[in-house]
Amino acid sequence: QSALTQPASVSGSPGQSITISCTGARSDVGGYNSVSWYQQHPDSAPKLMIYNVNERPSGVSNRFFGSKSGNTASLTISGLQTEDEADYYCSSYTSSRTLVFGGGTKLTVL
Amino acid sequence: QVQLVESGGGVVQPGGSLRLSCAASAFTFRNYGMHWVRQAPGKGLEWVAVVSTDGGSKYYADSMKGRFTISRDNSKDTLYLLMNSLRTEDTAVYYCAQDLDTSGLFSYFDVRGRGTLVSVSS
Repeated sequence: QSALTQPASVSGSPGQSITISCTGARSDVGGYNSVSWYQQHPDSAPKLMIYNVNERPSGVSNRFFGSKSGNTASLTISGLQTEDEADYYCSSYTSSRTLVFGGGTKLTVL
Repeated sequence: QVQLVESGGGVVQPGGSLRLSCAASAFTFRNYGMHWVRQAPGKGLEWVAVVSTDGGSKYYADSMKGRFTISRDNSKDTLYLLMNSLRTEDTAVYYCAQDLDTSGLFSYFDVRGRGTLVSVSS
């Protein structure tokens, strides 16, 4: 199972919006509405931010928005804040009944 | 507050074995599927395996299949990962995680522990 493709890094200024893409295949991202996004700050465990493409767990800000088109999922963060600076990982369910992660995207808030 | 405490990590030689444990508390362990996820130093997240509530269904990442075994003891609220034929590339922090997917696909989870470091080196 190949890893999903994410950009290595993205950046934005406070208050701006950014979007992180996550590209897979018909056997994972494109075939199921089971894409999740995780945020990880340095030396911390990953935190679930989005599940089922566009659902937010309780307590996650509505500035985080997930979407999907074909084999590509996206995470959009609006109104960037300094505390959003972190690594972000997408994950998808696959036809093999496994999960696969993307390589991760480092978000820098300038 | 859900708690997951991983243990059992350490230094092991290539080809060796290690068993990780994850002690769960503050939730009804037997009602949740459980995952292992790992992260090599300075690298990204990698999903390892998942086990169903009763231990009857288990799924593994291709690179771990045949070498790793996930299991659970619901009487002890504990998750395990037995790792055999360890390779240097298995060096990572291993996290256990509570599955939150009510659809039965085990497609997302919550990591609550600090992880345990496994170092495979001669």
